[in-house]
Amino acid sequence: EPEVTQTPSHQVTQMGQEVILRCVPISNHLYFYWYRQILGQKVEFLVSFYNNEISEKSEIFDDQFSVERPDGSNFTLKIRSTKLEDSAMYFCASRGVRFNQPQHFGDGTRLSIL
Amino acid sequence: SQQGEEDPQALSIQEGENATMNCSYKTSINNLQWYRQNSGRGLVHLILIRSNEREKHSGRLRVTLDTSKKSSSLLITASRAADTASYFCATDSPGFGNEKLTFGTGTRLTIIP
Repeated sequence: EPEVTQTPSHQVTQMGQEVILRCVPISNHLYFYWYRQILGQKVEFLVSFYNNEISEKSEIFDDQFSVERPDGSNFTLKIRSTKLEDSAMYFCASRGVRFNQPQHFGDGTRLSIL
Repeated sequence: SQQGEEDPQALSIQEGENATMNCSYKTSINNLQWYRQNSGRGLVHLILIRSNEREKHSGRLRVTLDTSKKSSSLLITASRAADTASYFCATDSPGFGNEKLTFGTGTRLTIIP
């Protein structure tokens, strides 16, 4: 069964550094998402992306965050200047084009900011 | 309560017993989905139920939806040790296109062998 893949599985970065989290969505999907889960808390929506542009973003997704689909397969989340509170599990998800389809999630990237 | 609250927060049962988890939400929804998360892993999609559906089955899973009460339940029958995980409901709001998901706090299910 097709899967969403995320790399790296764990990223350790110094505060203030830039990080790029990578995702390869399921190949025929057109809607892409990033979510995050701070340890012990709910999964929170960050951003949705369709047709090469952001469709919706949450309050968490401030100017430090950006997303990009640099080619036909990758979908990336960039955090420009990381803060301690950015430490979390980041999940990528994708969804097919038909209505009422589930979102399929990757295994996540654990981001640790020191 | 917030959109997507599950109860109980934690549930421990003996292997072979049935497990029932509940989810409540506050706003109108398009779909409600249940996901499983093993410790430290990603979210695995289990089942999606549309707002115009009342019950759905998939293998040992049975999901009900009561839009008048804004609640859903997930029943796992004949539980197995491998069912030990956290279970989350997630809702999306009416509208076409992107349907961001709003997750609940989750139920941590432990199956005792």
